[in-house]
Amino acid sequence: GDSVTQMEGPVTLSEEAFLTINCTYTATGYPSLFWYVQYPGEGLQLLLKATKADDKGSNKGFEATYRKETTSFHLEKGSVQVSDSAVYFCALTYGSSNTGKLIFGQGTTLQVKP
Amino acid sequence: DSGVTQTPKHLITATGQRVTLRCSPRSGDLSVYWYQQSLDQGLQFLIQYYNGEERAKGNILERFSAQQFPDLHSELNLSSLELGDSALYFCASSARGTGSVTEAFFGQGTRLTVV
Repeated sequence: GDSVTQMEGPVTLSEEAFLTINCTYTATGYPSLFWYVQYPGEGLQLLLKATKADDKGSNKGFEATYRKETTSFHLEKGSVQVSDSAVYFCALTYGSSNTGKLIFGQGTTLQVKP
Repeated sequence: DSGVTQTPKHLITATGQRVTLRCSPRSGDLSVYWYQQSLDQGLQFLIQYYNGEERAKGNILERFSAQQFPDLHSELNLSSLELGDSALYFCASSARGTGSVTEAFFGQGTRLTVV
């Protein structure tokens, strides 16, 4: 079945370091891909999305490119801040015939130290 | 604030009991999704309703059921509770049930503890 695999956490970085969180997916069709972020004690918030191959999603300095050839959607940020400390989830869903349900990766905890 | 409201925020109950979790979607959103987040299973899709009708089902146990009411709020009923049902239960809503992808907005969750 369809699935999403994220790199194991936790990831601990110093402020202003470069961030990469790897995400790969397995899907029978052409999914849309998402990154959600969960801050402590809160629900999930959409961080960025990409709906077709080679699309780049970006928001708040975070970027991810939909790579069909490698079935990947890695999250990157050039300079992380302490406020970026959270759990990051990669997810997929399908477009035209889908209900919109999301399939999530296991989540990657990011801790940024001053 | 996502606009999705879940109540209660915390719930502690005993094994064998039944509880009801409530979700009010964003104004105008017709789809409601329920997800379970646990340490061992991660975030799992349970069930979706669209405009009062069940639209999709995931890994939802037979002891669990849900419904969506005419005012579009939804309830998730969990019965014969077991220790393993302890988890964070999220509700999400979106504008559409099928078709082009639209963003899902998540509530803050209900943390269920079964003792």
